[in-house]
Amino acid sequence: ETVMTQSPATLSVSPGERATLSCRASQSVSSNLAWYQQKPGQPPRLLIYGASTRATGIPARFSGSGSGTEFTLTISSLQSEDFAVYYCQQYYNWLSFGGGTKVEIK
Amino acid sequence: EVQLVESGGGLVQPGGSLRLSCVASGFTVTSNYMSWVRQAPGKGLEWVSATYSAGSAYYADSVKGRFTISRDNSKNMLFLQMNSLRAEDTAVYYCARSYTSGWSPDYFDFWGEGTLVTVSS
Repeated sequence: ETVMTQSPATLSVSPGERATLSCRASQSVSSNLAWYQQKPGQPPRLLIYGASTRATGIPARFSGSGSGTEFTLTISSLQSEDFAVYYCQQYYNWLSFGGGTKVEIK
Repeated sequence: EVQLVESGGGLVQPGGSLRLSCVASGFTVTSNYMSWVRQAPGKGLEWVSATYSAGSAYYADSVKGRFTISRDNSKNMLFLQMNSLRAEDTAVYYCARSYTSGWSPDYFDFWGEGTLVTVSS
């Protein structure tokens, strides 16, 4: 089983600032890594797949990077609608999710 | 437009059973891996079960032997039969489609709104 670890658990950021979220895999997942955004009462929404490809309709302020075991989701300038919980998910060794990072208003 | 709509959740006693349904539209459930993913209150996401080709079924260890995934291709529906339910099965259950490029599921590109299952006496 591939264990996904996200850090930090909570990130406090001011609107307009940059947010950097990390995701680490317990073994290599190549570039088979996706990121999701989830707001309260809503299902997750796909943001990034293939570690760095934005899904349809996702703004350019969201970017993903990394390969192997270390991955990063960057939100270049936080907007009010970006405060949410973010999950990473690997699909190299079947399927598993990270525990999530909550991005909150500072 | 791809849509997934779940139903069948509710309150059930420990040891009881429940059957979840997911109606798909805008695509055919036979063309992609289809999964159930759950989220306990205030917790993260947990993959539960998946199916693709006829007869294929995959389960998380936490539900193996208790849950059964199935499809009705004629109705374009996905099901999850949940038996011997436990308090720790309490969660919102999402039906989700995986982008499928090879022999295993990829990322989840579409999700339903979810249905809440509460296991309590």
